[in-house]
Amino acid sequence: GQNIDQPTEMTATEGAIVQINCTYQTSGFNGLFWYQQHAGEAPTFLSYNVLDGLEEKGRFSSFLSRSKGYSYLLLKELQMKDSASYLCAVLDSNYQLIWGAGTKLIIKP
Amino acid sequence: DADVTQTPRNRITKTGKRIMLECSQTKGHDRMYWYRQDPGLGLRLIYYSFDVKDINKGEISDGYSVSRQAQAKFSLSLESAIPNQTALYFCATTGTGDADTQYFGPGTRLTVL
Repeated sequence: GQNIDQPTEMTATEGAIVQINCTYQTSGFNGLFWYQQHAGEAPTFLSYNVLDGLEEKGRFSSFLSRSKGYSYLLLKELQMKDSASYLCAVLDSNYQLIWGAGTKLIIKP
Repeated sequence: DADVTQTPRNRITKTGKRIMLECSQTKGHDRMYWYRQDPGLGLRLIYYSFDVKDINKGEISDGYSVSRQAQAKFSLSLESAIPNQTALYFCATTGTGDADTQYFGPGTRLTVL
């Protein structure tokens, strides 16, 4: 079966750095996405990785290791507005997105 | 104006009623999707369409049907709503040249009593 695992919840402090991990087992791989979702709102696109390595975009970075079936999202200089759920999703061999359950990130002052 | 819109945004209905959720997009995308989201679970795909007249079942299509009336419109129907269909429903779109990035509508919160 297809499976994406990420922690259910994480807590971090404003101004700090947090890393959210995602491991996956899917039938094929055509890329990995990270989305941000504030409570009750739509998911919004953050990043896309298809090759191994680190992609940096402002305060957010995403890393991929295809051989390990592993990715992480790194958030720096945390702000209160970063409190949200972060969804990991893998594009499988049929070009369908398989979604993780999401990691709820709580930022404390 | 939002690129992907959904109507209604909130709906409360009773068991056995027929419900239609509408999705429209102005992004010119050919592919459209319907998902439901339940607390503690990931987004689950209900139906998807790669073009007008193309309809494909997703992971949890039982109890739902869809219609792709035009490239810009994709509607989801619950023929006879039941309480376990209470959920947050999202429409999403993507197109060639977008590297399969999906863009979501604001969601419809449906409650079935």
